[in-house]
Amino acid sequence: DIQMTQSPSTLSASVGDRVTITCRASQSISTWLAWYQQKPGKAPKLLIYKASTLENGVPSRFGGSGSETEFTLTINSLQPDDFATYYCQHYDTNFRTFGQGTKVEIK
Amino acid sequence: QVHLVESGGGLVKPGRSLTLSCAASGFNFGDHYMSWIRQAPGKGLEWVSHISGSGLTIYYADSVKGRFTISRDNAKNSLYLEMNSLRANDTAVYYCARDVGATTWDHWGQGALVTVSS
Repeated sequence: DIQMTQSPSTLSASVGDRVTITCRASQSISTWLAWYQQKPGKAPKLLIYKASTLENGVPSRFGGSGSETEFTLTINSLQPDDFATYYCQHYDTNFRTFGQGTKVEIK
Repeated sequence: QVHLVESGGGLVKPGRSLTLSCAASGFNFGDHYMSWIRQAPGKGLEWVSHISGSGLTIYYADSVKGRFTISRDNAKNSLYLEMNSLRANDTAVYYCARDVGATTWDHWGQGALVTVSS
């Protein structure tokens, strides 16, 4: 099975910072990768799919890049609403798998 | 407006069974794959199972294969998860979610808490 590994597990940042989260796949997954944001007590929210396509309604300060085994989620000019946990997710025909999550907290 | 509402969660003893339901509205239910995803307390997300719009294609995570059964009733716009032989490590919030082309999930329910404990 393909494993997804995110880093870092926790990230401390300030409002206005540029933040980068990395997700690595244990084998090539082309661009079959999505990113979600989750706030405490809430369901996850889709941010990006196919590695770099922004979901409708998601602010343009969010960006995704990468292919094969290495992917990044970048948040430009971090806003107070962005403090949350972020998950990468690989999708295939018959299974889906998540990274372990990256918590973005206030510095 | 897409709306997904889970029900049926609760406290259950190890080895027992429980069935979750998800009522869908605001879209053509039968046109979409649907999934169950769970999250243990304080932990990350884990995909559990998904089912095609017709109900003919079904996949499960290895952790639940043989114990859980996903199903749907398109006439009732409802998704189900029958959970048998429950274990303590099945304790989680269970979300139903609408698939986007059998890839990602663009709409989620609020979640139903299942606690497996004696």
